Amino acid sequence: DQQVKQNSPSLSVQEGRISILNCDYTNSMFDYFLWYKKYPAEGPTFLISISSIKDKNEDGRFTVFLNKSAKHLSLHIVPSQPGDSAVYFCAATPRINSGAGSYQLTFGKGTKLSVIP
Amino acid sequence: DTGVSQDPRHKITKRGQNVTFRCDPISEHNRLYWYRQTLGQGPEFLTYFQNEAQLEKSRLLSDRFSAERPKGSFSTLEIQRTEQGDSAMYLCASSLGARGNTEAFFGQGTRLTVV
Repeated sequence: DQQVKQNSPSLSVQEGRISILNCDYTNSMFDYFLWYKKYPAEGPTFLISISSIKDKNEDGRFTVFLNKSAKHLSLHIVPSQPGDSAVYFCAATPRINSGAGSYQLTFGKGTKLSVIP
Repeated sequence: DTGVSQDPRHKITKRGQNVTFRCDPISEHNRLYWYRQTLGQGPEFLTYFQNEAQLEKSRLLSDRFSAERPKGSFSTLEIQRTEQGDSAMYLCASSLGARGNTEAFFGQGTRLTVV
């Protein structure tokens, strides 16, 4: 049973436009969410995170939105650049010290973003 | 380079052989994680160390898998009697801070192919 779902395997966006990557989760114990970016032959690189006490976090061109009632989060990239082309993983973790699993990240399957020049 | 370092980057082995991977975390990080990633999937948690103590293990970590972090610095992951299903990218990550998983830094991974 997948607890973190990224239902779009791929997304193509024109350079300069907005990229929106979506993520849904099912485990109500998750309270911290992260996005990682991964280039081929490299490990995932941390991008941005959000705590469940917030509904938005912004860092430069990247904004993450969290809708707790819908158990949904999204990553917005504005404006999109060709260098943003990569696989984006959504990940979630339970509240720290909440028991087994509280130190592990649960990842989605990823969305491959292609930004077309 | 002060990032997470993994060795080797690639390993091809015959089924039934044992393999060992090494991870050197960022020096001041006391938390170390192993993940496994197969094609088309996100990374899956295997195990977690805080200093030298192994505090969590996934049910994915069968009896053939063992991980150590003897002095709280580098870590090794050994797979005994490898099977073709063990073929995957093995990722190591490290972090520092009260919330262990925030901003975990990943290494480039070791790609294992079992033939």
